[in-house]
Amino acid sequence: GNSVTQMEGPVTLSEEAFLTINCTYTATGYPSLFWYVQYPGEGLQLLLKATKADDKGSNKGFEATYRKETTSFHLEKGSVQVSDSAVYFCALSDNTGRRALTFGSGTRLQVQP
Amino acid sequence: NAGVTQTPKFQVLKTGQSMTLQCAQDMNHNSMYWYRQDPGMGLRLIYYSASEGTTDKGEVPNGYNVSRLNKREFSLRLESAAPSQTSVYFCAGSGDSHYEQYFGPGTRLTVT
Repeated sequence: GNSVTQMEGPVTLSEEAFLTINCTYTATGYPSLFWYVQYPGEGLQLLLKATKADDKGSNKGFEATYRKETTSFHLEKGSVQVSDSAVYFCALSDNTGRRALTFGSGTRLQVQP
Repeated sequence: NAGVTQTPKFQVLKTGQSMTLQCAQDMNHNSMYWYRQDPGMGLRLIYYSASEGTTDKGEVPNGYNVSRLNKREFSLRLESAAPSQTSVYFCAGSGDSHYEQYFGPGTRLTVT
């Protein structure tokens, strides 16, 4: 079946540091890939997505590239801010009729001023 | 345009009690989903509905039932709550393109 593996957190960075959160996946066929962000006490918000190999998703300074050869979708940001502190989830959709998402376990990011 | 809404936000139940979690969306989504979120486990699919009048089991359906009342509403029912159902429950909707889902704010349920 499908699965998503994320690096364990928490990840603690100083403001303006470079961020990488690793995500690898196992899936049959050609899934769509997503990063969601969850701020404290809130629901999940779609951060970015990529629907085919070599696509790069980007939003709010975050980027991730769909790498089929390494089955990865690592999240990066060049300069984090305190307001980026949240839990980040990598997810895939298997593009079948069900369209349900399979999530990683989440990575908590803490950015210190 | 409220997106996906859920009620209640918080609920405490005693073991054996029943309750229904409500979800509504105004985004004209055909597909709707119920997930539960537990610490260190991400979100797991309980039930989904691909269209009005259809529902199907997800990864962890035991102890739950659902109703897709119309295109807008998708409810989740716990008939006899158990402590193992203590969790945060999220409803989501999805349109027809690219499979991204839009989530409600969640319901935090505690079963004692």
